Amino acid sequence: NAGVTQTPKFRILKIGQSMTLQCTQDMNHNYMYWYRQDPGMGLKLIYYSVGAGITDKGEVPNGYNVSRSTTEDFPLRLELAAPSQTSVYFCASSYSMVTGTDTQYFGPGTRLTVL
Amino acid sequence: ELKVEQNPLFLSMQEGKNYTIYCNYSTTSDRLYWYRQDPGKSLESLFVLLSNGAVKQEGRLMASLDTKARLSTLHITAAVHDLSATYFCAVVTGGGSNYKLTFGKGTLLTVNP
Repeated sequence: NAGVTQTPKFRILKIGQSMTLQCTQDMNHNYMYWYRQDPGMGLKLIYYSVGAGITDKGEVPNGYNVSRSTTEDFPLRLELAAPSQTSVYFCASSYSMVTGTDTQYFGPGTRLTVL
Repeated sequence: ELKVEQNPLFLSMQEGKNYTIYCNYSTTSDRLYWYRQDPGKSLESLFVLLSNGAVKQEGRLMASLDTKARLSTLHITAAVHDLSATYFCAVVTGGGSNYKLTFGKGTLLTVNP
């Protein structure tokens, strides 16, 4: 299994541009998540999904959109990029979080700079 | 709003020494995770602590959970350079199908020879 994969690894955007961060998992996990990590900070939840067709906002959703048309894919869309969106973005997945032994598996991250 | 506080945020220690990282959280939770992140890398799950009094050990790391005190500890025994990384605790909240993880800011551990 490849686990959780993310593309691209790095990206530089100009202010006002848009882009989509891709995330794919091959573990047949129901739950998927997008986090951002700023220097010296923990991870902040942007959006999450509990299954195909179902998404919900996390702690910091403004400026982002998501969709979940398949179990495997959970893209994150940035519209009108702003310098405040400069961050490292992690996608994660889990089978569920209901049972105690479940954990989230993280992708390698996308480092985004908005200039 | 749930707050998850780790201390210290920065820890520089010598090889062979022992130390403890603390994770306090502000609301009821029955589950806590510890993750490790190497520089420029993703997060790797270390421990899942499921109940009050839970203790897990892996090599030189031992994690415990006191749900009544809302406190978890990550104890490092006889540190070695390979343990240098950032360690995050994360607390589970929610119910039904809406469980979420809230992360602390992380503790950057540097083990010096």
